[in-house]
Amino acid sequence: AQKITQTQPGMFVQEKEAVTLDCTYDTSDPSYGLFWYKQPSSGEMIFLIYQGSYDQQNATEGRYSLNFQKARKSANLVISASQLGDSAMYFCAMTGRTARQLTFGSGTQLTVLP
Amino acid sequence: DAMVIQNPRYQVTQFGKPVTLSCSQTLNHNVMYWYQQKSSQAPKLLFHYYDKDFNNEADTPDNFQSRRPNTSFCFLDIRSPGLGDAAMYLCATSRDQIGGAAEAFFGQGTRLTVV
Repeated sequence: AQKITQTQPGMFVQEKEAVTLDCTYDTSDPSYGLFWYKQPSSGEMIFLIYQGSYDQQNATEGRYSLNFQKARKSANLVISASQLGDSAMYFCAMTGRTARQLTFGSGTQLTVLP
Repeated sequence: DAMVIQNPRYQVTQFGKPVTLSCSQTLNHNVMYWYQQKSSQAPKLLFHYYDKDFNNEADTPDNFQSRRPNTSFCFLDIRSPGLGDAAMYLCATSRDQIGGAAEAFFGQGTRLTVV
């Protein structure tokens, strides 16, 4: 079974500053994928970034980077230079070799302050 | 261009009246998922199709059914909606890969209200 834990129900960050959203996971699959999604108030789920369990380097996509620490089973999302439009719910999720579906964490509501 | 399309965006149905939500995709992905998301909660997987192979989650109520007539379309049928079924329903697709590396693409969701 897979489990994703996000311990920060809500986070605040000042505009233009960096913020880290925490995510830890547990799985028995030797091969798995870790994802971050953004969900604005409109409801759609927007893919941000992906990290494979065998990837040697941390994933980066523009202002988003994933701090992957395999031994600690953590996959934190770092957003640099926060913008007001970054205010949204952020979900960490994973798939595994034997599980074809995404398992989501409980989410972190990020608010960017002007 | 939208790749996963859900219709309608908003659906109001009466208590106990069957309702069908639809999802179509232009990605030719072999896996399609239905998630239920209640307010301020994480999406919860109801079931998924791997090609025509239907996979129901153990805790998905019998009230929820699904059909996938072809690769492009998938339907969620709620046979007798209750007030507790009011939620956002998200459809997603992925191209399955060993290692689970495939990204899931989501539709915009259907927000269901039960009156």
